[in-house]
Amino acid sequence: GENVEQHPSTLSVQEGDSAVIKCTYSDSASNYFPWYKQELGKGPQLIIDIRSNVGEKKDQRIAVTLNKTAKHFSLHITETQPEDSAVYFCAASGGAGSYQLTFGKGTKLSVIP
Amino acid sequence: ETGVTQTPRHLVMGMTNKKSLKCEQHLGHNAMYWYKQSAKKPLELMFVYNFKEQTENNSVPSRFSPECPNSSHLFLHLHTLQPEDSALYLCASSQDLPAGYNEQFFGPGTRLTVL
Repeated sequence: GENVEQHPSTLSVQEGDSAVIKCTYSDSASNYFPWYKQELGKGPQLIIDIRSNVGEKKDQRIAVTLNKTAKHFSLHITETQPEDSAVYFCAASGGAGSYQLTFGKGTKLSVIP
Repeated sequence: ETGVTQTPRHLVMGMTNKKSLKCEQHLGHNAMYWYKQSAKKPLELMFVYNFKEQTENNSVPSRFSPECPNSSHLFLHLHTLQPEDSALYLCASSQDLPAGYNEQFFGPGTRLTVL
């Protein structure tokens, strides 16, 4: 089955700096890679996703890159703000027949004002 | 109410108790999920329902029993749990399956403590 590794487990950055979170996956058939943000006391919320036919996707201050050859994908947050502080999860899904998302262990991001 | 709601938000139970978790989605979705979230571990998918029919059971112990009476409601019945079952239980829904083509919307979770 799919295995997703996520690093780092914790990340502290100064407000205004950039933050990068990296994930690797094991199943070369995986073709969908979402990122979720979980704030305290809430469930995870999708913030951006990318499919395997695209190498990069951007939405305002958030971008995701995908390297299918190396089987890794990354989340980039620029100009970080205190409200970006949360736990971020990457996930991978293995193709049209897969009902499951396999999640990483999460990264706790702290943005220091 | 909008989105995905879960009740109760917090639950403390003894190992001999029987309790139920409730999830309701107001999004008109057809698929619903139960996940277990433990500290420092990835989200673990427990059950998947599509159009009220169970499509996935990820080797979950029988002390967890799901029920999906309709596409808007999902229950997780708990009995004779163990302390290691203490976790945040998340419900999610999506328009349809599979996971790779349908965004999942999560509820806020039920924080379960088993004494």
